[in-house]
Amino acid sequence: AQSVSQHNHHVILSEAASLELGCNYSYGGTVNLFWYVQYPGQHLQLLLKYFSGDPLVKGIKGFEAEFIKSKFSFNLRKPSVQWSDTAEYFCAVEQSGGSYIPTFGRGTSLIVHP
Amino acid sequence: IAGITQAPTSQILAAGRRMTLRCTQDMRHNAMYWYRQDLGLGLRLIHYSNTAGTTGKGEVPDGYSVSRANTDDFPLTLASAVPSQTSVYFCASRRTSGIYNEQFFGPGTRLTVL
Repeated sequence: AQSVSQHNHHVILSEAASLELGCNYSYGGTVNLFWYVQYPGQHLQLLLKYFSGDPLVKGIKGFEAEFIKSKFSFNLRKPSVQWSDTAEYFCAVEQSGGSYIPTFGRGTSLIVHP
Repeated sequence: IAGITQAPTSQILAAGRRMTLRCTQDMRHNAMYWYRQDLGLGLRLIHYSNTAGTTGKGEVPDGYSVSRANTDDFPLTLASAVPSQTSVYFCASRRTSGIYNEQFFGPGTRLTVL
């Protein structure tokens, strides 16, 4: 069974700092990749996704992620965080080709101080 | 467009009681999912349904059952609630025809079993 690891459980940053959240997975085949965000008290919503093509994916609110197949990684980045980015971030991975059942990482809690 | 609605928003339940969490989507998505979210454990899949009339077990199905009588509704039943089922429950749906589709999540149900 595939697994998804998010190495940073808690991250605390000041506004304008750069952000990189790690995500690694164990499955060796072709994958679809997602990052979701959960703002305090809200439900999960999609930040960005990768299915194929350019491994550098741009999402909403200035976030981007890079798929590095050789490293089984899909790290999330943002050059300058804002207080409103305070949230829980989840990486999810699924096998391509029709499983439609993503495995989620345990999440990273990001706190941005103004 | 409402998207996904869940009811109730929150519930306190005595151990041993039966409880059904409701989930309805108006997007005509064929796949639906139930997750539980626990601190430090991220989202774990309970049950899923790829299309009306079919269901499957996820990572943590014990103590839960589901049905999918139609496209829109996907109720989750706890036959005899136990305190370890205290959690936040999220329903999700997804269109699996076509390509490049992600999950959409409901607002969640906060369940406390005493």
